[in-house]
Amino acid sequence: AQRVTQPEKLLSVFKGAPVELKCNYSYSGSPELFWYVQYSRQRLQLLLRHISRESIKGFTADLNKGETSFHLKKPFAQEEDSAMYYCALRPANAGGTSYGKLTFGQGTILTVHP
Amino acid sequence: EAGVVQSPRYKIIEKKQPVAFWCNPISGHNTLYWYRQNLGQGPELLIRYENEEAVDDSQLPKDRFSAERLKGVDSTLKIQPAELGDSAVYLCASSLRDRFYQETQYFGPGTRLLVL
Repeated sequence: AQRVTQPEKLLSVFKGAPVELKCNYSYSGSPELFWYVQYSRQRLQLLLRHISRESIKGFTADLNKGETSFHLKKPFAQEEDSAMYYCALRPANAGGTSYGKLTFGQGTILTVHP
Repeated sequence: EAGVVQSPRYKIIEKKQPVAFWCNPISGHNTLYWYRQNLGQGPELLIRYENEEAVDDSQLPKDRFSAERLKGVDSTLKIQPAELGDSAVYLCASSLRDRFYQETQYFGPGTRLLVL
């Protein structure tokens, strides 16, 4: 079974401060990890995936298999980063019913104060 | 492009009544998902379609929920009869695998259901 845990329901920072949204997972196989974001009154959208190793809107996330974590980081938070963030896991290279099945964490509401 | 379209956006019904949700995926996307999102939780998969075939419906409560995807395009999700615990946001997503088997799921705006 796969499980994603986001320990913080709420996270508040001031503009310009660093921010880290935590994500831990449990999965016996090889996972693909994602961060999804939902801005106010907008639909859920992909922010970044670990295999791309890219920075999106200043955010980065590193998959740490030893600690089974995929924390999302940004060195200088902006007010427009305020949103709900979901960490999600999918089995990598899985066929059949496992393919495409995203398991989401409970989400973290990030508020960036001016 | 409009993206994934869902209707209705909101629905209020009394318990024991039937309800149906409709989803139009992004053109060309052959994989379609229905998720349920309870308040304060992340989305949970209900059913996945590859074209018109339901390939993973293990999480669908089959005693009251049903889904179909005729012609492999639009899909409907039905609840009959609805219960109070069915109050949630129902999300539809669609995706297309690229030649590297990378897949991105695109979500619709959701249907917010309230059962009274």
